[in-house]
Amino acid sequence: DAGVIQSPRHEVTEMGQEVTLRCKPISGHDYLFWYRQTMMRGLELLIYFNNNVPIDDSGMPEDRFSAKMPNASFSTLKIQPSEPRDSAVYFCASSHGGASTGELFFGEGSRLTVL
Amino acid sequence: AQSVAQPEDQVNVAEGNPLTVKCTYSVSGNPYLFWYVQYPNRGLQFLLKYITGDNLVKGSYGFEAEFNKSQTSFHLKKPSALVSDSALYFCAVRDLSYNTDKLIFGTGTRLQVFP
Repeated sequence: DAGVIQSPRHEVTEMGQEVTLRCKPISGHDYLFWYRQTMMRGLELLIYFNNNVPIDDSGMPEDRFSAKMPNASFSTLKIQPSEPRDSAVYFCASSHGGASTGELFFGEGSRLTVL
Repeated sequence: AQSVAQPEDQVNVAEGNPLTVKCTYSVSGNPYLFWYVQYPNRGLQFLLKYITGDNLVKGSYGFEAEFNKSQTSFHLKKPSALVSDSALYFCAVRDLSYNTDKLIFGTGTRLQVFP
């Protein structure tokens, strides 16, 4: 398997623009997680899905952030409008069985810079 | 809420020497504890986990971790460090609070192994 695939790997945009990050989880995995990593705040869970259904979105910073999982092989994280403080590395991870197994498989991340 | 603490931002060790990366936890109930490693510009990779059983857990790349209930610790160890072990290490705990099931990560410890 190719692992978790994220795109784009790097995105530079201007404040106010819409940003869409994409994730393809490992086939057969039933959980998908979106994390954000910054120097100041470390690794934060934004939202996670189980069988394509959002379970916990309490980590989503505000209404500018939204995430969808229309099918088992694709998820998006959208920021509209983007702000400089959204600059971070966004990771998608998938697993079979969720946190109880603890073995999450991470993508290589999407580095977002908002100017 | 469940949490983990990594008291050291950075650990420096000479190649060939034993290494320890510290983690303490705060949970209600039985802890599910994990270690992950992040190499530069990469996503996190699972190293090992403790759910129940033997207090000494063995994982990938020769790493092991010792669960200590009385000290609420789960330190990562390796008998002989390699330069290639230099990376960012994260301790994590399973969080079952508020009807959710997710991994909460510590702030990370940067391990630097010198030749």
